[in-house]
Amino acid sequence: DAGVTQSPTHLIKTRGQQVTLRCSPKSGHDTVSWYQQALGQGPQFIFQYYEEEERQRGNFPDRFSGHQFPNYSSELNVNALLLGDSALYLCASSSGQGGGNTIYFGEGSWLTVV
Amino acid sequence: GDSVTQMEGPVTLSEEAFLTINCTYTATGYPSLFWYVQYPGEGLQLLLKATKADDKGSNKGFEATYRKETTSFHLEKGSVQVSDSAVYFCALSDRISNFGNEKLTFGTGTRLTIIP
Repeated sequence: DAGVTQSPTHLIKTRGQQVTLRCSPKSGHDTVSWYQQALGQGPQFIFQYYEEEERQRGNFPDRFSGHQFPNYSSELNVNALLLGDSALYLCASSSGQGGGNTIYFGEGSWLTVV
Repeated sequence: GDSVTQMEGPVTLSEEAFLTINCTYTATGYPSLFWYVQYPGEGLQLLLKATKADDKGSNKGFEATYRKETTSFHLEKGSVQVSDSAVYFCALSDRISNFGNEKLTFGTGTRLTIIP
């Protein structure tokens, strides 16, 4: 059973560029969330997608956008990259029904902005 | 809003020592509580969880009890091993809506190093 898979693993971008990160949820999961983890910090919630809609957003600017596809996979897009966007981006998946469900994380995409 | 306060690190212990990592939380409702572990260069792995007051989560010799009266969820292990060296994150979950699922609020993490 494949867990949460993310791509790419590492990437380097230049300030002002745009980046797209991809995530496939764990089998049977229909909810995908994205988190940003800066070096030495805990992950911060960016947004969550369920039924192809953004359900809630954390304190991130509109430069951060996302999408969920009918197969539940998801993309995170960041426009006009800043040096401060350098971080580990984690995708998490869970089942959308009920509460107290376990949230599983992928290994993340390391983004470096130079 | 919700928040999690974790014991500052780094923490260095000798093998077979007793471990406690403190975690307290602030939440408006009745969240579920979690400990996640992050090994070097890897993503987050769920270590244990508790979904209601007085529940005890346990896994791989680690334990934590959901204490509503003290709003705490301290992580303990009786005898640590070198392989336990990692960063440990305390987190709480909050339901987003009836149509979505929880989002996690994390503490800043505690780096644990075990010396042989």
